[in-house]
Amino acid sequence: DQQVKQNSPSLSVQEGRISILNCDYTNSMFDYFLWYKKYPAEGPTFLISISSIKDKNEDGRFTVFLNKSAKHLSLHIVPSQPGDSAVYFCAASGSNDYKLSFGAGTTVTVRA
Amino acid sequence: SQTIHQWPATLVQPVGSPLSLECTVEGTSNPNLYWYRQAAGRGLQLLFYSVGIGQISSEVPQNLSASRPQDRQFILSSKKLLLSDSGFYLCAWRSPPLYEQYFGPGTRLTVT
Repeated sequence: DQQVKQNSPSLSVQEGRISILNCDYTNSMFDYFLWYKKYPAEGPTFLISISSIKDKNEDGRFTVFLNKSAKHLSLHIVPSQPGDSAVYFCAASGSNDYKLSFGAGTTVTVRA
Repeated sequence: SQTIHQWPATLVQPVGSPLSLECTVEGTSNPNLYWYRQAAGRGLQLLFYSVGIGQISSEVPQNLSASRPQDRQFILSSKKLLLSDSGFYLCAWRSPPLYEQYFGPGTRLTVT
């Protein structure tokens, strides 16, 4: 049962524009959300996270927005750069949960 | 700072042969440790996790096993590999109560 869903398998964006990645979850017990970036043949790297007590968290070019009522979060990358071309995974966890539930990933391609 | 190592980086093994992948973490104590697999074009599948020495939880029934002989060492094994065991294997660690997991560089396993 997929508790975290990334419904867009791919996204193409022009360099300098905004990339918006979306993620939906079904488990109302999730209270912490994370985004990871993954290049081919490498391990995922942690990008940014947000607690359920917040609705926005910003770190440089990356901003994550959380809408708890809609069980939806999004990652904004502004401006998009060629090095941002990668697979992005959304993940979620609940209190006292040892595990992360991952989405299937969205492949972002930044066009020059 | 914390570092996670995985080896080997790549491995080609015949069907029916044994497997041993090793993961070690430096710079932290009592981490939670995880083994994931990413099949070609797929998302991250959690295979095993461990919250302490000798404590292993299995997420999916399969041909693999895991062991944690030391606090910062996690081993993934198989007695007889199947073709379906091919994939990209990732080790990760987490320092409770933080939620973030940090991944190693991965091992590309090809079973022929």
